[in-house]
Formats: sequence, C-alpha cells, structure tokens
Amino acid sequence: QKEVEQNSGPLSVPEGAIASLNCTYSDRGSQSFFWYRQYSGKSPELIMFIYSNGDKEDGRFTAQLNKASQYVSLLIRDSQPSDSATYLCAVNPLYNFNKFYFGSGTKLNVKP
Amino acid sequence: GAVVSQHPSRVICKSGTSVKIECRSLDFQATTMFWYRQFPKKSLMLMATSNEGSKATYEQGVEKDKFLINHASLTLSTLTVTSAHPEDSSFYICSARNSGDSPLHFGNGTRLTVT
Repeated sequence: QKEVEQNSGPLSVPEGAIASLNCTYSDRGSQSFFWYRQYSGKSPELIMFIYSNGDKEDGRFTAQLNKASQYVSLLIRDSQPSDSATYLCAVNPLYNFNKFYFGSGTKLNVKP
Repeated sequence: GAVVSQHPSRVICKSGTSVKIECRSLDFQATTMFWYRQFPKKSLMLMATSNEGSKATYEQGVEKDKFLINHASLTLSTLTVTSAHPEDSSFYICSARNSGDSPLHFGNGTRLTVT
C-alpha cells in the first residue's frame, strides 16, 4: 500500500465549476498535509497546507482534512483554464519531520 | 519568504562529463535540503536528503558515488552528477523547509540532457 494515494485523472471540469481533488494516506499519525500544483515542465509550487481537521480556505482554494478517515481534499472554486495542472498531495508523518510522502498527482483539465 | 533558488535551469552535457547543480535557500537557513528527480509524466522521486555539515542520506537504489551531494553551508547544497550518461537525463529539483513544520519549498528545477 502506498503512503499517499491519488487518482491520476485526468479530471476534466468546465470553466467556472468546482474541481474536487482527493487524497488518502495510510499513516494515521500523519501531522501535516500539503497541496502542490505542478505545471508541465515546471517544479511544484505550494498551494495550501493544513494541519487540523476541518476546512481551510485561501481565495478560491479550500483544503479539507479528515484525520479519522485519513482523507484530505482540495477544492478549487470558479475553476479557470490556468488551473489546468497536476496537483500533488504530500503528507509529513509525525515520526520523521524530514520525510515527505508525495502522491503521484492528479491531472486537472479545466475546459474553457 | 522561503525562496529556494536552483541553478542552472537547463544544462546539456556530453556523456562522461560531470555536472554540478546548486540549490540555495535565499531568505532562510536550511539544515536539511532534499533532492528529487522526475521523469516525464512521472511522479517525484526522492533521491537523497542533504544534511548540513554531514553526509547525505541516499534513498535505496540511488548511487551515492554517482550523485555527489555536498551541503557546505546552511544556505547551499550542491548535487554533482558524475560521469553522466544519457539515462541520467531528467528533471532534478531541490527543496527545503525553513522550520520543523513548515511546507517544503521547491527550486525551479534543472533540466539535464546528456548527449
């Protein structure tokens, strides 16, 4: 079982819709959760991080964490074609703050 | 804050030569930096964890004599690909964090092409 699992997609949504990206993780003791966006040929850039159960909003982005279900998601409201990219979920376990587990990423296509 | 700078962004070299990639934390000190490798349409693969003032920790399957890592200061780590071969052609990305629970911040990456 992989430490972090994501659906590879592609996830296609029309412009203006809500894109919902999901991620599950296997280590129940994980403490920190991150979402990165990676455009083709570029390095990952941080979108959001969340440490506590519940929702965290930043502009059009909302990260949701449910530790009981070992599930973290990213919602993108009013999706734009410029949001088309691969979204990586990353998890930092409690026992090793220098260890990051990355999912394989979900490719999002926002169609005009 | 938390800017990571990586150079060069692109390099082409001939087989058998060595290439050095630099990773700098510009506005924070990083006792630990991370080196990743990514093939087209594939996920990030951690190569090694670079520790300031000590030896790097390599992931299983990564040749430490081929991928030399030096973390000489709190703001600079270098990755040297020695005796490069075409199969070493890839996208190399460094990253660092500025505190124990902060996110990883990535450099812009280095695209290496070995001819």
